[in-house]
Amino acid sequence: EDQVTQSPEALRLQEGESSSLNCSYTVSGLRGLFWYRQDPGKGPEFLFTLYSAGEEKEKERLKATLTKKESFLHITAPKPEDSATYLCAVPRSYDKVIFGPGTSLSVIP
Amino acid sequence: NAGVTQTPKFQVLKTGQSMTLQCAQDMNHNSMYWYRQDPGMGLRLIYYSASEGTTDKGEVPNGYNVSRLNKREFSLRLESAAPSQTSVYFCASKDSWGPTGELFFGEGSRLTVL
Repeated sequence: EDQVTQSPEALRLQEGESSSLNCSYTVSGLRGLFWYRQDPGKGPEFLFTLYSAGEEKEKERLKATLTKKESFLHITAPKPEDSATYLCAVPRSYDKVIFGPGTSLSVIP
Repeated sequence: NAGVTQTPKFQVLKTGQSMTLQCAQDMNHNSMYWYRQDPGMGLRLIYYSASEGTTDKGEVPNGYNVSRLNKREFSLRLESAAPSQTSVYFCASKDSWGPTGELFFGEGSRLTVL
């Protein structure tokens, strides 16, 4: 069964303490992997799309990477404003996108 | 630029009542989607519309109906609400049909069914 899992479920970092979030997937014929950010009480907001193993994308303190089985979202020297839930998603077929449960990130000043 | 607008933002229903969630986008997007989000479950697709005039079921369609009223508007109806439908509902749109391309989400409609 196609599945997307994320770990850890929650992560608490001190400001400036770098770390990584993981997204693992079991989908045949990967057509891309998406990362979204969701702030409390808001809808998800698009961050990145990765299409092939080895691809990397960067935006400010965030860098997303992709392998054949998983993706990592690296957060370098995070700030409190990076606190949010980070969701990864994978297209399962031509018409459906599967979302993972998310990682809730808290960055403490 | 409003993007995707959902109404209402909050709603409390009693079991068996009906209601319609409204969604409108002003980005001239072709595809529109309804998701529900529950703790620990991620976002799950209820229904989608690849283009004006078409709708199709997603992962969890039971208990819901949809209408693509025109290119801008996509509504979700609960005919007889059940406590299991307590959730946060998100409408999203995308420029093109298919697996790629970013989704633009509304801010959500929080529904409680007592």
